[in-house]
Order: sequence, then C-alpha cells, then structure tokens
Amino acid sequence: AQKVTQAQTEISVVEKEDVTLDCVYETRDTTYYLFWYKQPPSGELVFLIRRNSFDEQNEISGRYSWNFQKSTSSFNFTITASQVVDSAVYFCALSEARRGAQKLVFGQGTRLTINP
Amino acid sequence: DTGVSQNPRHKITKRGQNVTFRCDPISEHNRLYWYRQTLGQGPEFLTYFQNEAQLEKSRLLSDRFSAERPKGSFSTLEIQRTEQGDSAMYLCASSGGQGGYTEAFFGQGTRLTVV
Repeated sequence: AQKVTQAQTEISVVEKEDVTLDCVYETRDTTYYLFWYKQPPSGELVFLIRRNSFDEQNEISGRYSWNFQKSTSSFNFTITASQVVDSAVYFCALSEARRGAQKLVFGQGTRLTINP
Repeated sequence: DTGVSQNPRHKITKRGQNVTFRCDPISEHNRLYWYRQTLGQGPEFLTYFQNEAQLEKSRLLSDRFSAERPKGSFSTLEIQRTEQGDSAMYLCASSGGQGGYTEAFFGQGTRLTVV
C-alpha cells in the first residue's frame, strides 16, 4: 500500500527565514509520481510540482526548491526567504503511474505560518 | 473557463437528510475525481471517472454515497441518510485529456456539516 508521511504538523517561522517541509513516502511501485500542493485558507488545493520517480534532479522555481532522494524515499520542499503569503497548509502526495489517472495519496499536511 | 467549480460551497444539513453536491470540471478534462478531507487531515480519494464511466471507488464510499457523471461533463455526489461522521470538505478535481499525465486541478470544495 502507498503511504505519505509529513511528520511536521505545524511550523512557524519569521518572515525571510528559510523553511523546509519534510515528506517521506512508501510504495511498492517502481514507477510513481510525487506532488506538492498548497492549501490556503480559501480551501482550494493549488498544484506546485509533480516529480516522476525516474527523475531525481532537484528543481528550483523562484523561492521554491524540491529535493527528491529515492534512496531515502523523501521529497522535501524548501521555501527560501519566506513571505507572509506563503502561510498555508502544504500537502505532499503520491500516485502510481497509471496512464493518465491520478489517484492521489496525501500526507496529513504541514501547517506553515510565516510571521511578519 | 477559470477552473474547477463546486456548488454549494457550504451545506448544513440535519442527520438523516440527503444532500447532493455538484462539480463542474475544466471543460477539456476527461477525468474527474472526488476526495474527502476531514479537519486536520489530508484529502482521501473517494472515486474517479473517465468521461462518464466510473472506473474506481474507494472502500470509503459506503452504500449511502453515489456519484454520477452523465454525459461526461459535470458530476454529482449524493449522500443519503447523512450521519455526523459525513461532516467534511468534499473536494472535486479534474485532469486532462489526450493520454499522458497531467496534474489534477482542484475546486474550492463543498464543506458539509451534519448536525
């Protein structure tokens, strides 16, 4: 069975600090996808990134970066120079690589609060 | 088309009543998903449609739950004889099109409170 663990329930930092959100996953599939979603107070899940299990290259998008390590089954997310608008609940998710379909298994989420 | 639309946004109902939620996906997307999210938890998969065919149902979807997607466009999720444990956010998502793998776009959800 697939499982995603986000051990950090809540994180609170001061604006401009860097913060890393941890994600550890379990799957028996050799091919799978990993995701990060952001859920602001409005409730809508906002897609941030998708990573194929074959691609272990780290990715950077502006202040966001992701570190995928297959050896430790981790897919961590770092926000550099955090801003108040980054405050939200962040979810890591996993899906098997079934063609075209996305049955996502989510972690419990990390509530990130950025204080001014 | 600005995204996935869900109605209503909030629903309060008495225990034992039936409720129905609607999801309008992004127009070119042929796949539609329903998830349930309880307070403090991540969303949990309920069911999935490809066009009008319901291809998978989670064991979380009891007999009181039914989902439809007639004509492969909008979808409805009905809960019969609601129970307090049904109180949750119900999220709909859609993903596209012509084979391959595209990310799922989520609506803002319908928050159900059973009193």
